[in-house]
Amino acid sequence: DAGVIQSPRHEVTEMGQEVTLRCKPISGHNSLFWYRQTMMRGLELLIYFNNNVPIDDSGMPEDRFSAKMPNASFSTLKIQPSEPRDSAVYFCASSFSLGQSSNQPQHFGDGTRLSIL
Amino acid sequence: LAKTTQPISMDSYEGQEVNITCSHNNIATNDYITWYQQFPSQGPRFIIQGYKTKVTNEVASLFIPADRKSSTLSLPRVSLSDTAVYYCLVGNTDKLIFGTGTRLQVFP
Repeated sequence: DAGVIQSPRHEVTEMGQEVTLRCKPISGHNSLFWYRQTMMRGLELLIYFNNNVPIDDSGMPEDRFSAKMPNASFSTLKIQPSEPRDSAVYFCASSFSLGQSSNQPQHFGDGTRLSIL
Repeated sequence: LAKTTQPISMDSYEGQEVNITCSHNNIATNDYITWYQQFPSQGPRFIIQGYKTKVTNEVASLFIPADRKSSTLSLPRVSLSDTAVYYCLVGNTDKLIFGTGTRLQVFP
């Protein structure tokens, strides 16, 4: 079975450019999560969706970050304009959530390593 | 969300049993305890989850005392490939809060 698929695996771009990260969750999963990992701050939850609807975006750093989930099999995380401090590994994860009090295991992709020069 | 405390790092040798303890003094009644493993250049991977007493699967065991204020992840007979960061999380919703984890280094 295919796991969570993220693309690209690596992205190097210059400051000010728009960056779009993509994620395909596991088929049948109804929750999708975007995380960011850095040495300084560790693994942070940015936003998560349930049934394609954003539930909690309190972790999104600022307005330069936006995420969408147009359908159950695709999500994007966009940074515009990008800055050097956005350099990190961005992970997407999915799970089958049972509702408000769910704590189902999340399945992570291998991440996108983003470098902003 | 309950805060967790776990050792920053641990060393072990191949074939030994490794026990990683996590403290979560303010765990709520309906919180679960979940452990994830992360290898370099990969996303975290779910290992095991429990609520109370003991849970065992093909990878690890999770021991939870009656007061649930701590938990211990037990890895039997570790190998070099078990070198990774292990995260203890406590909660009852989809919102996971990862701490700094425990970096386990297994030596030959």
